[in-house]
Amino acid sequence: EPEVTQTPSHQVTQMGQEVILRCVPISNHLYFYWYRQILGQKVEFLVSFYNNEISEKSEIFDDQFSVERPDGSNFTLKIRSTKLEDSAMYFCASWGAGTSEDTQYFGPGTRLTVL
Amino acid sequence: GENVEQHPSTLSVQEGDSAVIKCTYSDSASNYFPWYKQELGKRPQLIIDIRSNVGEKKDQRIAVTLNKTAKHFSLHITETQPEDSAVYFCAARKNTGFQKLVFGTGTRLLVSP
Repeated sequence: EPEVTQTPSHQVTQMGQEVILRCVPISNHLYFYWYRQILGQKVEFLVSFYNNEISEKSEIFDDQFSVERPDGSNFTLKIRSTKLEDSAMYFCASWGAGTSEDTQYFGPGTRLTVL
Repeated sequence: GENVEQHPSTLSVQEGDSAVIKCTYSDSASNYFPWYKQELGKRPQLIIDIRSNVGEKKDQRIAVTLNKTAKHFSLHITETQPEDSAVYFCAARKNTGFQKLVFGTGTRLLVSP
């Protein structure tokens, strides 16, 4: 069964540093998402992306965040200047338009720790 | 925007008992309601889902019911086993598949042998 993959699995960074989280969505999917989960809390939507554009973003997704699909397979989330409160698990997800499926498939997550 | 409430936050049952987790949603345009199981440090895994044109769906020991009028939906697990222990999240999504998922706050289920 195809899976969403993410790298790295863990990322430790210093406050103020830039990080890039990487995702490879399922190959024939067209919609991509980033969600985050602060430890012990619920999963929260950050941004959705389609046709090389942001479709929707939450109020969490401020100017410090950006997303990109640099090539035909990768989907990245960049945090320009990390803050302590950015520490969380970040999940990428993808969905296949043109199918009867409703399911968004989640990657295994990247645990980001900001010191 | 959509808001999803989930209860209880923790649920402890004995092996073999049934467990019920309840969610309510606010946006009447929501039409798709998945349930995810998340084990510690792992990704959310879809376990069952229901669309708004269906009132109930069952898959072996797991069932989901939906009451559109009351805007609530529930997860039912029968004959619980210790491996059912995890955090369960409900979610809601409106319109079409590309819309975002809005998650509930999660229920930590502990099944004791």
